[in-house]
Amino acid sequence: DAGVTQSPTHLIKTRGQQVTLRCSPKSGHDTVSWYQQALGQGPQFIFQYYEEEERQRGNFPDRFSGHQFPNYSSELNVNALLLGDSALYLCASSWGGPGELFFGEGSRLTVL
Amino acid sequence: QKEVEQDPGPLSVPEGAIVSLNCTYSNSAFQYFMWYRQYSRKGPELLMYTYSSGNKEDGRFTAQVDKSSKYISLFIRDSQPSDSATYLCAMTGIQGAQKLVFGQGTRLTINP
Repeated sequence: DAGVTQSPTHLIKTRGQQVTLRCSPKSGHDTVSWYQQALGQGPQFIFQYYEEEERQRGNFPDRFSGHQFPNYSSELNVNALLLGDSALYLCASSWGGPGELFFGEGSRLTVL
Repeated sequence: QKEVEQDPGPLSVPEGAIVSLNCTYSNSAFQYFMWYRQYSRKGPELLMYTYSSGNKEDGRFTAQVDKSSKYISLFIRDSQPSDSATYLCAMTGIQGAQKLVFGQGTRLTINP
């Protein structure tokens, strides 16, 4: 049983560019959440998708957007990249109830 | 003031020692409490998941929640070098919403 898979694992962008990160949830999970983890910090909640709609959003600007597809996979898009967007972006999946979140290995974004 | 406070360490102990990791929080609405382990450059791995106050034991790990004091703990018995990692506490208050609020993480090293 594959867990949460994310791609790409590493990428380098320059300021002002746009990036798309992808996530496939664990089998049987229908809810996908995205988190940003800066170096030496705990993950920060970006948003959560359920039934192809954004259900909750954290304190992140509109430059951060997402999408969930009918097969429950998800994308995170970040526009107009800033140096401060450099971080590990984590995808987590769950079945939508008050249960456990399972995280992927993350996509490490470096903005130069 | 952060919603969740966690001493970042680093914490270094000899193999076989009992390790105590702690978090305090300010939001009385938190009801679900989790501990994640994160190895370097990996995604967080769920260790313990508890609801409301009380203790939960799983092998060498024990999680304690004291909602009256807004204080949670993770104890690791017979610590092993493989336990060396960053430990993140996380919590959420709304059933099903699963917007986790994380602590900063404590970096733990177990010395052989």
